[in-house]
Amino acid sequence: DVVLTQTPVAQPVTLGDQASISCRSSQSLVHSNGNTYLEWYLQKPGQSPQLLIYKVSNRFSGVPDRFIGSGSGSDFTLKISRVEPEDLGVYYCFQATHDPYTFGAGTKLELK
Amino acid sequence: EVQLKESGPGLVQPSQTLSLTCTVSGFSLTDYSVHWVRQPPGKGLEWMGVMWSGGSTAYNSALKSRLSISRDTSKSQVFLKMNSLQTEDTAIYYCTRRTYWGQGTLVTVSS
Repeated sequence: DVVLTQTPVAQPVTLGDQASISCRSSQSLVHSNGNTYLEWYLQKPGQSPQLLIYKVSNRFSGVPDRFIGSGSGSDFTLKISRVEPEDLGVYYCFQATHDPYTFGAGTKLELK
Repeated sequence: EVQLKESGPGLVQPSQTLSLTCTVSGFSLTDYSVHWVRQPPGKGLEWMGVMWSGGSTAYNSALKSRLSISRDTSKSQVFLKMNSLQTEDTAIYYCTRRTYWGQGTLVTVSS
C-alpha cells in the first residue's frame, strides 16, 4: 500500500503568516492515465473533513486562492499564504491513484 | 443539494457485526462513487473502501477480510458491514463523495 508521510506533525503559526505542509509518497502518484490524484483536506475541530485541493493543484469550489497545492511524482506541498483563523485545524493529504487509497497522518495547523 | 447521511447503531458489542447505511440525495449512485472513511477518537482519517458508480468495490487491505460494501440504487443507499468488531474499531464513520461529506456517525464498540 502507498504510504503518505506528512511533515511537520504540527505547524505553529501567527495569523497572517505563510504555512507550508509537505506530503511525500512511498511511490509515484502518477496514474497510468497521466493524472496525479493527490488531494488535500482540512478538518476543523468538531467538523467533517472538507476538500481543498484535488489533482495536486486544483482548488475545489469556494476554496480561497491563498491555498496553493504543488508538486509532482511523489513529493507534494500545500502552502497557505496569510493564515486566517478559519484555516486552523488538521490538514490531510490523500492519494487516489493506487488502490487501496490512503491518507497521510495529518498536520495540525495551530496558533503559536 | 448534495447530501450524505450516515445512520446505524451507536453501540456495538465486541465480536459483533457493524451495519451502517449512507443515504444520499442530490445525485445518483450510478453517477458517483461513495467512500467510507473512519476516524478513531483523537486520531487521523482511515480510508476504508469505496462503492464505485459502476457497482464494483475496493477495500482497505487491513480491513478487507472483515468488510463488505453494497448498495441499493433505488433507495439511494450505500451499506457498510464489518464483522468481528473490536474496541479499536470505535470511531466516527463517514460516508463521502470526497467533494461532499456526511456529518459522520460515532460507533462505540463496548460490552
